[in-house]
Amino acid sequence: QVQLQESGPGLVKPSQTLSLTCTVSGGSINSGSYYWSWIRQPAGKGLEWIGRIYISGSTNYNPSLKSRVTISADTSKNQFSLKLSSVTAADTAVYYCARCIGGWYCYFDYWGQGTLVTVSS
Amino acid sequence: EIVLTQSPGTLSLSPGERATLSCRASQSVSSSYLAWYQQKPGQAPRLLIYGASSRATGIPDTFSGSGSGTDFTLTISRLEPEDFAVYYCQQYGSSPPYTFGQGTKLEIK
Repeated sequence: QVQLQESGPGLVKPSQTLSLTCTVSGGSINSGSYYWSWIRQPAGKGLEWIGRIYISGSTNYNPSLKSRVTISADTSKNQFSLKLSSVTAADTAVYYCARCIGGWYCYFDYWGQGTLVTVSS
Repeated sequence: EIVLTQSPGTLSLSPGERATLSCRASQSVSSSYLAWYQQKPGQAPRLLIYGASSRATGIPDTFSGSGSGTDFTLTISRLEPEDFAVYYCQQYGSSPPYTFGQGTKLEIK
């Protein structure tokens, strides 16, 4: 059973960089069958796809966030990470990591429990 | 970018009733690459349906998906108390960014 777990600071100051890590257990991120994604959800609102990484290191980002987002992977630790720079209060949200299955056109079959990140001074 | 519009915003029904949720896309979703998720308060979304009509592992057959092109439907044939939640559709038929609908809240009447 694949499990994903987000970790990182719950409070980030405005203009700083948000950094989160997703640790995957029960499966390897080295598998060529999946993309590994980040998705966020502001309180009481809907879901926004942030971006994804493939094991080759190839990434795709949401154009609305592309200038501020970096997703990377550490295969030795079976983890992938999110960095979002120059954060504002609008970046306050629950951040989820998720496994994306189906190849290039993929959907999300396993999700982490989510971690709340608040941007505030 | 494909915009997904879900309706209704809120659906009030009683246990045992049938629920019909709609998801309309701003342009045709290629190969019916449309998924549905269920989200309960404080929890991550759970995959219900992929490929417009295929049930994910462990999802009861009271849940069914249908549709193609721009119009998709999630049907819950007989509501159980645990089915009351928020439901999201997501399209993955075009190159990223993947997009979600704004959600339909299914509440107990």
